[in-house]
Amino acid sequence: GENVEQHPSTLSVQEGDSAVIKCTYSDSASNYFPWYKQELGKGPQLIIDIRSNVGEKKDQRIAVTLNKTAKHFSLHITETQPEDSAVYFCAAMGGGADGLTFGKGTHLIIQP
Amino acid sequence: GAGVSQSPSNKVTEKGKDVELRCDPISGHTALYWYRQSLGQGLEFLIYFQGNSAPDKSGLPSDRFSAERTGGSVSTLTIQRTQQEDSAVYLCASSSGRINYGYTFGSGTRLTVV
Repeated sequence: GENVEQHPSTLSVQEGDSAVIKCTYSDSASNYFPWYKQELGKGPQLIIDIRSNVGEKKDQRIAVTLNKTAKHFSLHITETQPEDSAVYFCAAMGGGADGLTFGKGTHLIIQP
Repeated sequence: GAGVSQSPSNKVTEKGKDVELRCDPISGHTALYWYRQSLGQGLEFLIYFQGNSAPDKSGLPSDRFSAERTGGSVSTLTIQRTQQEDSAVYLCASSSGRINYGYTFGSGTRLTVV
């Protein structure tokens, strides 16, 4: 089955700087890669996703890149703000009927 | 509904008691998932329902855990003879069931076994 590795487990950046979270996956048939943000006391919320037919997708300060050859994808947050502090999960979905496989999460801390 | 609804939001129970956690998915979503999240940890898959197919129970940690989904909508996760290690947040998610579409999560039920 699919295996997703996520790094780093904790990331602390100064407000206004950029943050990058990286994930690798094992199943070359995986073709859908969402990112979730989980704030304290809440369930994870989908913030951006990318499908395997594109290499990059942007939504305001958030972007995701995908390298299918290397089987890795990354989340980029620019001009970080205090409200970006949360736990972020990457996930990958295989080509069959399997569901999403999640990474272990990254705790992003925005320092004022 | 507008989102995935879970109840109760918090549950404190005594060790050895049974508990039932409820999930009401988004209307029309055929797929429903249960995950467990221990303090500061990632998402542990428990069980998956897709339409009228037999559920994928491969993530259930022991036979004390069971789940059902009635009428293809509401789901109940039951934990029998609760143990302290069952303390966690139990998250439910639903999706349209189509390949390459993400999940919508509920806010979870925080279970504390004392």
